This record gives sequence, C-alpha cells and structure tokens, in this order.
Amino acid sequence: GQNIDQPTEMTATEGAIVQINCTYQTSGFNGLFWYQQHAGEAPTFLSYNVLDGLEEKGRFSSFLSRSKGYSYLLLKELQMKDSASYLCAVVDSNYQLIWGAGTKLIIKP
Amino acid sequence: GAVVSQHPSWVICKSGTSVKIECRSLDFQATTMFWYRQFPKQSLMLMATSNEGSKATYEQGVEKDKFLINHASLTLSTLTVTSAHPEDSSFYICSARGPGGDTEAFFGQGTRLTVV
Repeated sequence: GQNIDQPTEMTATEGAIVQINCTYQTSGFNGLFWYQQHAGEAPTFLSYNVLDGLEEKGRFSSFLSRSKGYSYLLLKELQMKDSASYLCAVVDSNYQLIWGAGTKLIIKP
Repeated sequence: GAVVSQHPSWVICKSGTSVKIECRSLDFQATTMFWYRQFPKQSLMLMATSNEGSKATYEQGVEKDKFLINHASLTLSTLTVTSAHPEDSSFYICSARGPGGDTEAFFGQGTRLTVV
C-alpha cells in the first residue's frame, strides 16, 4: 500500500527553527509537495521537489532524498502566523497526489 | 499563481435536499480535478478524481450516487451532494491541476456545508 508519515504535532518558539519530516512509501515517485493549511482554510502551495537536494525559498526550505523516501520542510525565523498544519503530498506513478495526514505546528511566544 | 474559484463558500441546507458546489479554474485548463472532504482537525480525505470528459473515479467508501461529480469542461467541475444528511456536514475542497506530472494542485477556497 501507499503510505506517508508525518509527525502529528510539533511545538516551536517564535524566532526559532523547526524541521518537519515526511517519509513515504508509494508506487512510483513523480515529485513531492509541501502545503500549508490554516484552520478552516484551503491548503496553499509551499514547495515542490522532484530531484534530490535542498530547495530554498525565503524562510522556508524543502529537502528531498528519493533513495531514502524522505523529505523535510525547514522553517526559519518562526513567526506566530506560521502556526498551521503542514501537509506533505507525493505524486505517484499514476500522477495522483497521495496526502500525508499533516503536521500541526504550534508556535509559542 | 493560478486561481481556482469555489462557490459557495458556505451553505446551510435542510436534511433531504441537494446542494451543488462549483469549482472553476480561472486562468488555466484543469485536466484533472479533485474533490476532498475534511472534518474538523482531520486531514484532507480524497473523495474522487475527475478528468475532463470522463466519469469520476471515486475512492473506496464514497457513494457515487450520493456525491455526483461532473467535469464537463476544462474549467468547471461540480459536486452535488444529494439527499444531504447532517453527517454530510463538512468542509469540501476542490483542487485542480493542469497537464503534466509536476504541476502543483491549486485549491479552491473550500465550502463549509452544514446540513440541519
């Protein structure tokens, strides 16, 4: 079966750095997305990785290792508005999106 | 980025009635559209995938006669919840992707359905 694992919840302090991990076992791989979702709202796109390595975009970076079936989202200089759920989604061999359950990130002052 | 418009944002209906939710891609051709349901504090649950001009593919456990999906054009998909019941109350979200495996999924704003 297809499976994506993320921690259920994480807590971090404003101004700090947090890394949200995502491991996957899917039938094929055609890329991995990270989305941010605030409560009661639709997800918004953060990043897309299809090759190994680190992609940096402002305060957010995303890393991928295809051989390990592993990705992480790194958030720097945390702000209170970063409190949200972060969803990892993998594109499988049929180009379907397989979603993780999401990681709820709580930012404390 | 591309825009997906979902309408209505919220709707309250009586038990037994039907509700239609529209999802439009405003500036790109959405070859594939997805419909999700999300209960409070839970993850997105894929209900069905539809390709333009084809019948929707429903996930296991989703009643296709209850959740009617139409994807008649490259810019519009509709989800109709038929004979709604209180347990159908949820947050429904559509997303759309263009052709190509690396295209991101753009989400509509979501529809909060409350069945009373």
